[in-house]
Amino acid sequence: DQQVKQNSPSLSVQEGRISILNCDYTNSMFDYFLWYKKYPAEGPTFLISISSIKDKNEDGRFTVFLNKSAKHLSLHIVPSQPGDSAVYFCAATDSGGGADGLTFGKGTHLIIQP
Amino acid sequence: ETGVTQSPTHLIKTRGQQVTLRCSSQSGHNTVSWYQQALGQGPQFIFQYYREEENGRGNFPPRFSGLQFPNYSSELNVNALELDDSALYLCASSFGQITDTQYFGPGTRLTVL
Repeated sequence: DQQVKQNSPSLSVQEGRISILNCDYTNSMFDYFLWYKKYPAEGPTFLISISSIKDKNEDGRFTVFLNKSAKHLSLHIVPSQPGDSAVYFCAATDSGGGADGLTFGKGTHLIIQP
Repeated sequence: ETGVTQSPTHLIKTRGQQVTLRCSSQSGHNTVSWYQQALGQGPQFIFQYYREEENGRGNFPPRFSGLQFPNYSSELNVNALELDDSALYLCASSFGQITDTQYFGPGTRLTVL
């Protein structure tokens, strides 16, 4: 039973355009959400997070939007750059639930075309 | 910051054997978590240690065990290896709160034949 779903295994975007990566979750106890980026042969690197008390968080070219009623979040990258080509993982946790770790989606492979 | 390191990079074992994977956390990080990433999947939480005590576990059997040491190093031990244990094993360290950023190591690729 996948509690965090990333339904697009891959996404191709032209350099300079906006990349939108989507994530859905089913566990209503999740209240803290994160995006990680992973290059081959490296560990995941933290990108940006959002608490359920917010609906938007911005950090430079990266913005995460949270729609609690739809149990949906998205990561926007503007403008997309070649170095953004990587696998992006959405993750979620119940911040009050003790040491349950992060629940990850399967990832979306973002390819930035020149 | 020295980053999170893991050893070995790759490992091949046969079914039924035991394996120990090692992780060195960032200095000052009291929490280490271990994740298993099977091919084509996202990382799956195995367990977490805080100040040398296990304080959280995912849906993994007891043959997965760990240790955390005062010098910010830790181990993941897997007994009675099964073919399905073949995966990338990631450790992540953080200061302690679940909302603190978790810094991941590059992982150990385990192949069980």
